[in-house]
Order: sequence, then C-alpha cells, then structure tokens
Amino acid sequence: GAGVSQTPSNKVTEKGKYVELRCDPISGHTALYWYRQSLGQGPEFLIYFQGTGAADDSGLPNDRFFAVRPEGSVSTLKIQRTERGDSAVYLCASSLTGGGVDTQYFGPGTRLTVL
Amino acid sequence: TQLLEQSPQFLSIQEGENLTVYCNSSSVFSSLQWYRQEPGEGPVLLVTVVTGGEVKKLKRLTFQFGDARKDSSLHITAAQPGDTGLYLCAGGPAQGGSEKLVFGKGMKLTVNP
Repeated sequence: GAGVSQTPSNKVTEKGKYVELRCDPISGHTALYWYRQSLGQGPEFLIYFQGTGAADDSGLPNDRFFAVRPEGSVSTLKIQRTERGDSAVYLCASSLTGGGVDTQYFGPGTRLTVL
Repeated sequence: TQLLEQSPQFLSIQEGENLTVYCNSSSVFSSLQWYRQEPGEGPVLLVTVVTGGEVKKLKRLTFQFGDARKDSSLHITAAQPGDTGLYLCAGGPAQGGSEKLVFGKGMKLTVNP
C-alpha cells in the first residue's frame, strides 16, 4: 500500500516568507508526527498528533511554527517569517495507534532552504 | 532532556569486515529502535528492542539492548556495499510519557567493494 507522502519534496524560499509543508499519512493511521533533521543530525521531534488534536507540541521551537490536522488525516506544518536557521529536512511519520512501541513510518521529507 | 549519543559517527570499511555501532544514554528508555536512512529518504525501521538484555538478529545484523535499558549496540557481520547508509538509534517513550522518539545523531557507514 501507499506509504507516507510529503509535498513538496523541495522548497526554496526567502527569509521572512511563509511556507506550508504537507504530509499525507498512511490511511487509517491515527498518530502523526513531525520531525526536523538538520545536516549531520538525527531527526528532532517537533509535534505529535493523535487524531485531530496535538497531543504533544513541546518540540516546536517557537511560535513561528504551527501545525494542524483538521480532519485527522492530512497534516500541514506552517512556518511564518522563515529564518535561515529553519533550513532543514522536515520529516513526517505516522503510526497506527501511537501507543507504546507502535512503529512509526516515515515519509521522504521536505527539504526546506531559506535563502 | 533525554540524549542519545552514537559512536562512531563515521565509518568507512571494506566489504566483508565486521563493525559495531554504539548508542548510549544516561536516561532509561522503554524501547530502543534502530533505523537506516538513505539519502533523500526517511528513516526505515530495522528493529525494536524493549526488554533489558534483549538480543535480536536480523540476517547479518545483531541488536542488543543493555540490561539497564540505557544503551544499545548494532553489530554487522561481513558488511556489504548495500549496507551503506546512515544508522540511527532512537529511544522510545518513557513510561507514561509522550510518544515522541529521541534520536541520536547517527552513524554514517560506507562499505567499499
């Protein structure tokens, strides 16, 4: 079946602009996660959704970052007033229930470059 | 803040050699997962270990979870060029904690033919 998909695969923007990154999870997965991976680093947790609600948003670095999942499926990560330090690969993952050692399946990521 | 340290961070070896990657933390995790990531792709789960002292084998890969559930190792026997990639360990949620994963920085492996 189809895996996690993310669009766009690459996004180049200018400092100060607004961007939206989209994640389509595996159908039927109730849990959805956003991570950010900077060059030479492992993925860093941003936010976790259980259904439509954000169960844990402790990883969002500041109030310029916001994510939604209005119908409990597709999610959008929104970044306002982008800064050069926001440049990274943004990964989305989904899991069936989000509980315990439930496997997280990752998408290919969106590479964001802020000039 | 929970941190996972991986060592070595880079390794370049010849086909047929053995290697071990370590993942260490001062924190206890309820599970430890190992992922492999190739350029332009997301991490792909290799294995999950949940019990202290647990050993799991996946073909030429052997994974071990430390007795205290703070560390883990990945041993690859007779490495092949197809093993090339970034190997990431990730700690699973503590009891009653968030479902987020805490990742190490990864070990970039290159296996030369």
